[in-house]
Amino acid sequence: DAGVIQSPRHEVTEMGQEVTLRCKPISGHDYLFWYRQTMMRGLELLIYFNNNVPIDDSGMPEDRFSAKMPNASFSTLKIQPSEPRDSAVYFCASSLSDRVPQETQYFGPGTRLLVL
Amino acid sequence: DAKTTQPPSMDCAEGRAANLPCNHSTISGNEYVYWYRQIHSQGPQYIIHGLKNNETNEMASLIITEDRKSSTLILPHATLRDTAVYYCIVRVQGAQKLVFGQGTRLTINP
Repeated sequence: DAGVIQSPRHEVTEMGQEVTLRCKPISGHDYLFWYRQTMMRGLELLIYFNNNVPIDDSGMPEDRFSAKMPNASFSTLKIQPSEPRDSAVYFCASSLSDRVPQETQYFGPGTRLLVL
Repeated sequence: DAKTTQPPSMDCAEGRAANLPCNHSTISGNEYVYWYRQIHSQGPQYIIHGLKNNETNEMASLIITEDRKSSTLILPHATLRDTAVYYCIVRVQGAQKLVFGQGTRLTINP
């Protein structure tokens, strides 16, 4: 398996622009997670899905952020409008189930976002 | 989820065993101990997990004290590629959230 795939790997945009990050989870995994990593706040969970349904979005910072999972093999995280404080590395992860040991989360390589 | 405490940084010589401690004194009986690591510019990588017994896999060993208030991750023969930030996380089975602390920055020296 190719693992979790994220695109783009790097994104540079200007404040106010819309940004869309994409993720393809590992085939057969029922859970998908979006994390954000910054120097100040470390790694933090933004939202996660189970069987394409958002379960917990309490980590989404504000209404400018939205996430969708239209099918089992694709998810997007959208920021509109983007702000410089959104600059971070965004990771997508997936897991097979919520039962040990299948709940291990596998992370993608991340998207490094810079908002100017 | 229980809070964990780890030293911010550690050094280890290449080829030696690296022992990374983690305190989780408020851990509950149904909480597992997980270890992940993050090599520079990569996504976190799962290493190992355990409930109360010691565990070993191809990457590392996990030693959990009898009272479960602390644990140690052991990399038996550290290599330069083991230089990374190591995160100790405790969580209940079925709780999907992984709450990452600051971790331990392990540097393997030649």
